Amino acid sequence: AQSVSQHNHHVILSEAASLELGCNYSYGGTVNLFWYVQYPGQHLQLLLKYFSGDPLVKGIKGFEAEFIKSKFSFNLRKPSVQWSDTAEYFCAVNGRGGSDKLIFGTGTRLQVFP
Amino acid sequence: KAGVTQTPRYLIKTRGQQVTLSCSPISGHRSVSWYQQTPGQGLQFLFEYFSETQRNKGNFPGRFSGRQFSNSRSEMNVSTLELGDSALYLCASSSDPAGGGYGYTFGSGTRLTVV
Repeated sequence: AQSVSQHNHHVILSEAASLELGCNYSYGGTVNLFWYVQYPGQHLQLLLKYFSGDPLVKGIKGFEAEFIKSKFSFNLRKPSVQWSDTAEYFCAVNGRGGSDKLIFGTGTRLQVFP
Repeated sequence: KAGVTQTPRYLIKTRGQQVTLSCSPISGHRSVSWYQQTPGQGLQFLFEYFSETQRNKGNFPGRFSGRQFSNSRSEMNVSTLELGDSALYLCASSSDPAGGGYGYTFGSGTRLTVV
């Protein structure tokens, strides 16, 4: 069965620190990968996605993620976080071709202090 | 263009009652999925509808059901409510099944509290 694991449940950083959030998936086929963000009191928004091609994808607000097929990973990175990045981050996966549902990890809560 | 609209935004029900939640997808989107979000559990998939047909269903009891209309609007129904059903229910829409390679657009959710 397909699954998504986010090992960091709660991350606390100071502004300007670098960020890396882990995401590993289990799926027996070709996948599409996503990172979503949920700012306090707001709805889920797409941060970035990997569909095909260059495994290093860039999203909004300076975020990027790297797809490493051999490790079944899609880690999210940002070189220098800001207080406004405080939010919950969700990794998600579905099968290429849309035959399977989009499933999410349990989320990582990021707190950034000034 | 208008986003995904969910109504109502907040709902308080008592145990044993039933509830119906509504979702209007982005115009032109034919796929609608429903998720239950609770602290610590993340987003749990309920079901997906595409062109009025249920494509996938999550591991929820039969008390949870849904449907999609010809205009792509969707409703989900929960019967015989339990305290554990308290959650944020999210609706997401896309033009392709399961979000395809573009992902979903989410609504703001309906916050259901069961007392």
